[in-house]
Amino acid sequence: DTEVTQTPKHLVMGMTNKKSLKCEQHMGHRAMYWYKQKAKKPPELMFVYSYEKLSINESVPSRFSPECPNSSLLNLHLHALQPEDSALYLCASSQDIGERGGHEQYFGPGTRLTVT
Amino acid sequence: AQTVTQSQPEMSVQEAETVTLSCTYDTSESDYYLFWYKQPPSRQMILVIRQEAYKQQNATENRFSVNFQKAAKSFSLKISDSQLGDAAMYFCAYVGYGGSQGNLIFGKGTKLSVKP
Repeated sequence: DTEVTQTPKHLVMGMTNKKSLKCEQHMGHRAMYWYKQKAKKPPELMFVYSYEKLSINESVPSRFSPECPNSSLLNLHLHALQPEDSALYLCASSQDIGERGGHEQYFGPGTRLTVT
Repeated sequence: AQTVTQSQPEMSVQEAETVTLSCTYDTSESDYYLFWYKQPPSRQMILVIRQEAYKQQNATENRFSVNFQKAAKSFSLKISDSQLGDAAMYFCAYVGYGGSQGNLIFGKGTKLSVKP
């Protein structure tokens, strides 16, 4: 089962709100990712978790806060967002990273976020 | 730094015909993976095909095949017997085998239209 699930599918939030995006995979993958995608653009990497530890933080503003409670779950906490943060947020997972192999990433359907 | 270039922003193909999408990349790494991902409008990003750089044989998946030219750093996707469901944005992507920490590098994408 190559499925990554994300909730919610759509989210509208004000600039003072706090919300969270959730991602789950049951493929036994040890690497999980958050991407931001603007319309007609490729995904931009935000964070990488490997074995539940933050591996990469691509200079993302602190109003985005990732969390990996266990190997199957990945959260993205949102606070004080700006309208320009409106985008599709994609979660992905892979078996592993680096020399340990399993490099193909499987994507979830995304959360379409609108910041008003 | 690694880069991925897709020189065709848009392509069009007649149903049942064959179309080839181009992708070139630049890297100094010797071991890496290349992928083609498909993202239909407002739908999930799906892995279409993968190629390991150390394999000389071109990957195939049903109607999808690649022409991998390692020396030329070229990785094109051929779609045979095109179907209406093939209409999507196609992204070429690269990941290094070691040290890249799973950073999937995308091209800008090619929007494929399929005419009935």
